[in-house]
Amino acid sequence: DAGITQSPRHKVTETGTPVTLRCHQTENHRYMYWYRQDPGHGLRLIHYSYGVKDTDKGEVSDGYSVSRSKTEDFLLTLESATSSQTSVYFCATDVGGNTGELFFGEGSRLTVL
Amino acid sequence: AQSVSQHNHHVILSEAASLELGCNYSYGGTVNLFWYVQYPGQHLQLLLKYFSGDPLVKGIKGFEAEFIKSKFSFNLRKPSVQWSDTAEYFCAVNGVNTGFQKLVFGTGTRLLVSP
Repeated sequence: DAGITQSPRHKVTETGTPVTLRCHQTENHRYMYWYRQDPGHGLRLIHYSYGVKDTDKGEVSDGYSVSRSKTEDFLLTLESATSSQTSVYFCATDVGGNTGELFFGEGSRLTVL
Repeated sequence: AQSVSQHNHHVILSEAASLELGCNYSYGGTVNLFWYVQYPGQHLQLLLKYFSGDPLVKGIKGFEAEFIKSKFSFNLRKPSVQWSDTAEYFCAVNGVNTGFQKLVFGTGTRLLVSP
């Protein structure tokens, strides 16, 4: 299995505060992704990375930034959290190398008050 | 751009009933197709995948899916569901082309199996 650890697993914060979610993988996979999951919307891609320092936007990237300084770590930052960013965030790696076969982390539940 | 439609948002079945969940996609080229499952309180896991070859794909726990290229469909089936199949099921499509392709998910089908 591609080991993925997300932290924190749960966070409650207030509107306007910065938040960083961390995704750590142990399998040296090149492709990493951040998705958010909301009822009625399925999973929507926020940002993705195809290598160290190589990142790009997904379909719902507004209000989010990412960084990947090492292969194993992919950070998602909310510069100024809003209530609309209350969601469950999943990190994933592509175990097949850009095939779409993803392995997901356990998720990070974020509540913005 | 790719898109995926899952027509059934909620399905309720009794144990031993047969299951078929619909999935249609729009993409003009070659695709990789997936079904992912999310059990209550857990993360998504791969149920089965299709890359090429036999269009009837078998996955874990007795699930199978059939790729019908002419209908742009990849429906999920199971002949006899169990209470433990209660979960949310997501169809996903990855267009195969030059350059980077992003996986696109449907909105999911929530399955409830009553004992």
